Amino acid sequence: DSGVTQTPKHLITATGQRVTLRCSPRSGDLSVYWYQQSLDQGLQFLIQYYNGEERAKGNILERFSAQQFPDLHSELNLSSLELGDSALYFCASSVDSGTYEQYFGPGTRLTVT
Amino acid sequence: AQSVTQPDIHITVSEGASLELRCNYSYGATPYLFWYVQSPGQGLQLLLKYFSGDTLVQGIKGFEAEFKRSQSSFNLRKPSVHWSDAAEYFCAVGALMNYGGSQGNLIFGKGTKLSVKP
Repeated sequence: DSGVTQTPKHLITATGQRVTLRCSPRSGDLSVYWYQQSLDQGLQFLIQYYNGEERAKGNILERFSAQQFPDLHSELNLSSLELGDSALYFCASSVDSGTYEQYFGPGTRLTVT
Repeated sequence: AQSVTQPDIHITVSEGASLELRCNYSYGATPYLFWYVQSPGQGLQLLLKYFSGDTLVQGIKGFEAEFKRSQSSFNLRKPSVHWSDAAEYFCAVGALMNYGGSQGNLIFGKGTKLSVKP
């Protein structure tokens, strides 16, 4: 158990809908990262937050957004969902920004039908 | 651009045999390197990391990896594989920091799936 929690574990929704994925980092970690894992693209970095502020953006679509709250939990919002958004979404956390040593949650499997 | 290459998509070894998983990286400076393992339906677990110093690093579950700058490689090894080692293994490099050094995301290879024969 990495100490990073993600909810829900599974999510099935229809095209065009909007969903919110939630992540709680390890106790004491200030930085949260979101990654998408799909069969064709592999593990892709989406976005990073540090202590409530956005720090880095990767291959994140404009339909996707995230935030980190004062209690340091983070939410990833996916809207206007398409079939291609079906993937495993991981959250990871680290002590601070730039340390690279990240601990991953169990992931949320999103299925868009 | 930074990248990580894992040349082997799938490897099968017999239980008790030795294992080496290959990883090559492309990076403009001294890299921070990682190996993660993902069991079916699970998240990624950090096996080991290299930041600097001794080029042979020890990790959990009996794994080790050797950083070879001249070959841009960071291969993962285990002397004797157990059936429970069957999983997918990912090599990753820390992304080059932007100005100010506040970025910390990882760039992953495509992964190597390990199967273990009894």
